[in-house]
Amino acid sequence: AQSVTQLDSQVPVFEEAPVELRCNYSSSVSVYLFWYVQYPNQGLQLLLKYLSGSTLVKGINGFEAEFNKSQTSFHLRKPSVHISDTAEYFCAVSARYSGAGSYQLTFGKGTKLSVIP
Amino acid sequence: DTGVSQDPRHKITKRGQNVTFRCDPISEHNRLYWYRQTLGQGPEFLTYFQNEAQLEKSRLLSDRFSAERPKGSFSTLEIQRTEQGDSAMYLCASSLRGSGSTDTQYFGPGTRLTVL
Repeated sequence: AQSVTQLDSQVPVFEEAPVELRCNYSSSVSVYLFWYVQYPNQGLQLLLKYLSGSTLVKGINGFEAEFNKSQTSFHLRKPSVHISDTAEYFCAVSARYSGAGSYQLTFGKGTKLSVIP
Repeated sequence: DTGVSQDPRHKITKRGQNVTFRCDPISEHNRLYWYRQTLGQGPEFLTYFQNEAQLEKSRLLSDRFSAERPKGSFSTLEIQRTEQGDSAMYLCASSLRGSGSTDTQYFGPGTRLTVL
């Protein structure tokens, strides 16, 4: 089984400042990693994903994340945030094998990013 | 827009009533998932279909819950004898089976259920 811990439930940051949203995971098998964003009263939109290859992954809206296997982390970063980035961000994992239980995503509890003008 | 759609977006019901939600996946996607999201939590997996076959069910899916995907297209999620604890956002996602062992899930806007 997998679990995901998002270390900060809320992160306030001033507009144009950098931000890092932290994500750690636990799994007995190798995993794929995802970040989703959820705007109020909406579904989830995929920001980026790590499947294999380069550990630095670039996504939409200027976000990037780095997979660190030794620290079991997948932190999300953006060098300069905008008001429109105010939303809730979810880190998720799925197991890296085919078969029962591998297709479901396991999510963290989310981090609410508030961008202050 | 050809994304995942869900209907209704909001549902208010009284305890003990039955409710049914519908999800229309992206047209060529053969995999469909249901998740439940309660306040302050991330989504939790409920069930998964590949085409019309329901391949996995979470322990969260009690006997009062049933999901179908006839003909491998749209899916319905029914909750019988609703309880206040069923109040949540119900999210549907779909994906296209790729050559690897995982594929990207695309989510719909969700159905928010309130049980009074």
